[in-house]
Amino acid sequence: GAGVSQSPRYKVAKRGQDVALRCDPISGHVSLFWYQQALGQGPEFLTYFQNEAQLDKSGLPSDRFFAERPEGSVSTLKIQRTQQEDSAVYLCASRDRANTEAFFGQGTRLTVV
Amino acid sequence: EDQVTQSPEALRLQEGESSSLNCSYTVSGLRGLFWYRQDPGKGPEFLFTLYSAGEEKEKERLKATLTKKESFLHITAPKPDDSATYLCAVNSGGYQKVTFGIGTKLQVIP
Repeated sequence: GAGVSQSPRYKVAKRGQDVALRCDPISGHVSLFWYQQALGQGPEFLTYFQNEAQLDKSGLPSDRFFAERPEGSVSTLKIQRTQQEDSAVYLCASRDRANTEAFFGQGTRLTVV
Repeated sequence: EDQVTQSPEALRLQEGESSSLNCSYTVSGLRGLFWYRQDPGKGPEFLFTLYSAGEEKEKERLKATLTKKESFLHITAPKPDDSATYLCAVNSGGYQKVTFGIGTKLQVIP
């Protein structure tokens, strides 16, 4: 596709619910990042994929967070048993190759009530 | 650990009043410094990449510069359309993780 696409754009979840956020990167992009952005803050790194391999998941805040990219293209970020502190915008970015800029999707705004 | 510090956190300018935003960084092995613009409710939009000290890039009213410790985003004669949050990020490390600053929220008043 022309850009990075994320869905849904908005998600309201009741506390304790599981959610799944989808990212369609730019076609052919090897690298894929997930970020969490709280209101008024910069994006915080969550995890990184190179093709289907998850090379870094050091930013995932707890074992309730899980990400996958099984075929090296579409990625899903799953949050189990959501808590209020999980409320944030979740951003996905993809990159063609090292040393180049990453392109971002519009984000998914998650609100846990 | 890589660190990116942006200042000021917020900046209010009159239309036409030029200014600069600062990004200080501490990284092990810089592989690129990026500036992004983020409008409310949207994802960051790429502006510039800088790789080495002394490098400069320009786009319309924006010019980005880089030294060994910091980068500046100069805004010349800004217009209200330039109002946004400007994010600085650095690319470093083995697989080149991208680390962001908190951003500078710019408001340009007509």
